[in-house]
Amino acid sequence: SAVISQKPSRDICQRGTSLTIQCQVDSQVTMMFWYRQQPGQSLTLIATANQGSEATYESGFVIDKFPISRPNLTFSTLTVSNMSPEDSSIYLCSVTILAQTSTDTQYFGPGTRLTVL
Amino acid sequence: AQSVTQLDSHVSVSEGTPVLLRCNYSSSYSPSLFWYVQHPNKGLQLLLKYTSAATLVKGINGFEAEFKKSETSFHLTKPSAHMSDAAEYFCVVRHTGRRALTFGSGTRLQVQP
Repeated sequence: SAVISQKPSRDICQRGTSLTIQCQVDSQVTMMFWYRQQPGQSLTLIATANQGSEATYESGFVIDKFPISRPNLTFSTLTVSNMSPEDSSIYLCSVTILAQTSTDTQYFGPGTRLTVL
Repeated sequence: AQSVTQLDSHVSVSEGTPVLLRCNYSSSYSPSLFWYVQHPNKGLQLLLKYTSAATLVKGINGFEAEFKKSETSFHLTKPSAHMSDAAEYFCVVRHTGRRALTFGSGTRLQVQP
């Protein structure tokens, strides 16, 4: 498996501001993803973070609202821009591991709990 | 398109009794299927996965799931529930040709003493 850390673990932000969430992995990974879990809901994929190129966004998510960077194999950031209360969610980073023969398994970070006032 | 349906949003069992959490999937091809567990205020943990090997998959903490293609099901079971099993359980399918996952709506398992 992999040890995945996210910073911050939680934050309370004001409407209209932006927050950048960091995801760091202790292993080289093939794929990195960002998910959102709204209160009481399941997880929804926001985007796939691609190293050295623009992220691939799912329907309903756009780069202007959720810019993503992935400068290397072990690190990615997700920014939640111009926040509103509807953005209050847990944001989770997940990865698949390069060293594993089967890359089907995704491992999840602990999540960042965001509350927007 | 691939999707997954968890038939029960909430399941309550008594400690020591069997657990059954139901999941049905739809997929044009042989899917990869997973069960994840999320304890309150904790991250997601992989319980088990099916990737076209044995149809009966054993996971951690005594859980297992059986892939039944004819029924398009992947139900999660455990012979005897423990209080520590109380959590949210997600059935998950991996998109064919992609690495991203599609999550079911989740089943909250409550274990009564």
